[in-house]
Amino acid sequence: GESVGLHLPTLSVQEGDNSIINCAYSNSASDYFIWYKQESGKGPQFIIDIRSNMDKRQGQRVTVLLNKTVKHLSLQIAATQPGDSAVYFCAEMKTSYDKVIFGPGTSLSVIP
Amino acid sequence: DTGVSQDPRHKITKRGQNVTFRCDPISEHNRLYWYRQTLGQGPEFLTYFQNEAQLEKSRLLSDRFSAERPKGSFSTLEIQRTEQGDSAMYLCASSLFGGQDNSGNTIYFGEGSWLTVV
Repeated sequence: GESVGLHLPTLSVQEGDNSIINCAYSNSASDYFIWYKQESGKGPQFIIDIRSNMDKRQGQRVTVLLNKTVKHLSLQIAATQPGDSAVYFCAEMKTSYDKVIFGPGTSLSVIP
Repeated sequence: DTGVSQDPRHKITKRGQNVTFRCDPISEHNRLYWYRQTLGQGPEFLTYFQNEAQLEKSRLLSDRFSAERPKGSFSTLEIQRTEQGDSAMYLCASSLFGGQDNSGNTIYFGEGSWLTVV
């Protein structure tokens, strides 16, 4: 079946550098994409979302890019901090009012 | 704390026993979701409610699993005759469908209930 997946299972970055986490999705009918952050032993925390009619959206230190042509989603974290260490999931929804379908996640480790 | 609340946070049970988890959503959120997550994997959708109506159930939700939301507020997830394969974190989430803000249907998760079946 169609699913959301990630290119890399782990990513290590130096503190202060920018991080880029990538995601490939296969359901071209999805209208809404979300990035969640999950720290060890906690539930997923909403970071940022983007609708399919947009190609970029910025938040505080985070930017999400959507390339519908190649079905690619990325999360950029500026000036990565130790507190950013976590597993990051991209997720999709068929509409903005549907359930969330998660990918397998990327583990981000920030090196002090 | 006005976030999604789950109880208990941890449960160890013997195989064959029944367990029940409770979820209290964010106040006034009319949608409530249950997910299951195993180590190293993303959360998997189980079921969701809008108010008291259960609108969708995943094929993952076997006959041993039942979820209720009788008054459209809190919800319970019961697992009967637990098996070792049921060991996982059970996540609850909630959202406001039809809200007037511009955030769409942002789904907020609780901290999860860890189940270990021994």
